[in-house]
Amino acid sequence: IAGITQAPTSQILAAGRRMTLRCTQDMRHNAMYWYRQDLGLGLRLIHYSNTAGTTGKGEVPDGYSVSRANTDDFPLTLASAVPSQTSVYFCASSDPGRLGYTFGSGTRLTVV
Amino acid sequence: AQSVTQLGSHVSVSEGALVLLRCNYSSSVPPYLFWYVQYPNQGLQLLLKYTSAATLVKGINGFEAEFKKSETSFHLTKPSAHMSDAAEYFCAVSRNAGNMLTFGGGTRLMVKP
Repeated sequence: IAGITQAPTSQILAAGRRMTLRCTQDMRHNAMYWYRQDLGLGLRLIHYSNTAGTTGKGEVPDGYSVSRANTDDFPLTLASAVPSQTSVYFCASSDPGRLGYTFGSGTRLTVV
Repeated sequence: AQSVTQLGSHVSVSEGALVLLRCNYSSSVPPYLFWYVQYPNQGLQLLLKYTSAATLVKGINGFEAEFKKSETSFHLTKPSAHMSDAAEYFCAVSRNAGNMLTFGGGTRLMVKP
């Protein structure tokens, strides 16, 4: 089934630890995005990639990094997790020919 | 810069009643506008989108939204609420076909029996 796969589904992480959230799509979409969802704040863009080999910073990039080695994969890394990074993280992709995103099911991350 | 404001973080309606979820946007250029729905523990699904064609846009599950440029609004409506409509709804704006979306804070719709 075409779509976006995120892993893990949920994770409890000790503060200071490094963590990579995985995102893989099989739709050959050029653009991919990472958002975090927090109560009352909606979804805020962390990082994006318009095409393989390029990345850009979104609204809340601090403490996060991304890479885009190929079209399908767009991992998000927390180098040293802090409790304020407790959130639900969504990966999304888009095709310039069709407005709007396809979303993954999210990763619920708790930093303690 | 563009932004989206959703009035009312929680809306409660009775089953069978009209659903009205409000969205106002600011954009320096004619926008593309979207409504997404999120059911518990799931990702977001596209309900409908406005792309500068007809100002009244029909989406899935009986929802529709009307683009009103003079009011900078894109409110979401449904004539008769169902219990299955209970979810969180997000309005979003994109400045261009490059697709980067800015989301509102979301409105949680509760439907009472």
